[in-house]
Amino acid sequence: GAGVSQSPRYKVAKRGQDVALRCDPISGHVSLFWYQQALGQGPEFLTYFQNEAQLDKSGLPSDRFFAERPEGSVSTLKIQRTQQEDSAVYLCASSLAGVETQYFGPGTRLLVL
Amino acid sequence: QKEVEQNSGPLSVPEGAIASLNCTYSDRGSQSFFWYRQYSGKSPELIMFIYSNGDKEDGRFTAQLNKASQYVSLLIRDSQPSDSATYLCAVKKEDSSYKLIFGSGTRLLVRP
Repeated sequence: GAGVSQSPRYKVAKRGQDVALRCDPISGHVSLFWYQQALGQGPEFLTYFQNEAQLDKSGLPSDRFFAERPEGSVSTLKIQRTQQEDSAVYLCASSLAGVETQYFGPGTRLLVL
Repeated sequence: QKEVEQNSGPLSVPEGAIASLNCTYSDRGSQSFFWYRQYSGKSPELIMFIYSNGDKEDGRFTAQLNKASQYVSLLIRDSQPSDSATYLCAVKKEDSSYKLIFGSGTRLLVRP
């Protein structure tokens, strides 16, 4: 079946603009994760969903970041009033329940000017 | 001190050689360890995971774990130019049932 998909693949935003990033997990995957990857760094955890429940949002860097997964499938990461330091690749990953292996999507490369 | 440490490299090896990638972690209670490969501009791709002390082999790849030394490594035998990528070490901590803590990655360059 299809892997994790993300859209848009690239996004250029002006500072102060709101953006919404979408993630479609692998069908049947209960767990969904968002990570932020800065250039030359490893991915850093942002938030985790199990079905529609957001069980951990400890990695969200500020209250400008908000994530949701209302029907337990597609997830959206929203960033309000974007800042230049938000420029990064945003990766979504999913996994089966009780299975630790996470599969990553292609990422959304966000550039804030 | 970062929770997961990797040498950023680049590690340069000739084609056919063994590439040895190393990773140390700070949380002694860490349970599970993962190696991901990431090509430039692409997303991380899982290569191997290991839970128990010792070696785990999969084709040309061998993961080694030493919990006493808080050390995990990845060996790539018969390195190929197509193995040139950044290798990310990731750790699942004891107090977390889900999130992964990643190192910054080691860039591997296999010279033809």
